[in-house]
Amino acid sequence: SAVISQKPSRDICQRGTSLTIQCQVDSQVTMMFWYRQQPGQSLTLIATANQGSEATYESGFVIDKFPISRPNLTFSTLTVSNMSPEDSSIYLCSFDSGDTEAFFGQGTRLTVV
Amino acid sequence: AQSVTQLDSQVPVFEEAPVELRCNYSSSVSVYLFWYVQYPNQGLQLLLKYLSGSTLVKGINGFEAEFNKSQTSFHLRKPSVHISDTAEYFCAVKRYSSASKIIFGSGTRLSIRP
Repeated sequence: SAVISQKPSRDICQRGTSLTIQCQVDSQVTMMFWYRQQPGQSLTLIATANQGSEATYESGFVIDKFPISRPNLTFSTLTVSNMSPEDSSIYLCSFDSGDTEAFFGQGTRLTVV
Repeated sequence: AQSVTQLDSQVPVFEEAPVELRCNYSSSVSVYLFWYVQYPNQGLQLLLKYLSGSTLVKGINGFEAEFNKSQTSFHLRKPSVHISDTAEYFCAVKRYSSASKIIFGSGTRLSIRP
């Protein structure tokens, strides 16, 4: 199974600033997904990204707020821009290896003050 | 479109008692079914998955789930729980496609009392 390294594991940020979250996988993967888990809630998909193409965003999420990069098949970043306290959540990256199963990073616990 | 309903937001049980966490799904196409577990302050870990074949699926940590197509259910069970099973459990579905997203239920918090 793929091993995913996500960082930072947690951060406390000032409102109005931006945070970039990184995900590194130990093997090449096709699809990448970024999820948000708000306090006490389930996981909501932010966007889906393939290497070399624009990310596809779910309803309610926009590229200006959550820009995503996918420079190669083992790495991706999600930026949370112009943060407000409502952005305080756990952000998780996930990779679909092309099989039936998705693997998740450990998550980034973000607090915006 | 697919959707997942977890009927219980919280389930408190005593240690060594049996537990069932309920999950129903809705989909117009065939789907794979999953249960994930999230321990406090950790990421998601796959407990088990149903792809096809036998409707009773066994997973890690003594958990099992039964796929019932007629009732569109995929309930998770364990005959005897341990304190270490305290966690959030998520039922999820994924459309038959290597590139499709996973849809999660709202989660069930399992709390084990000594």
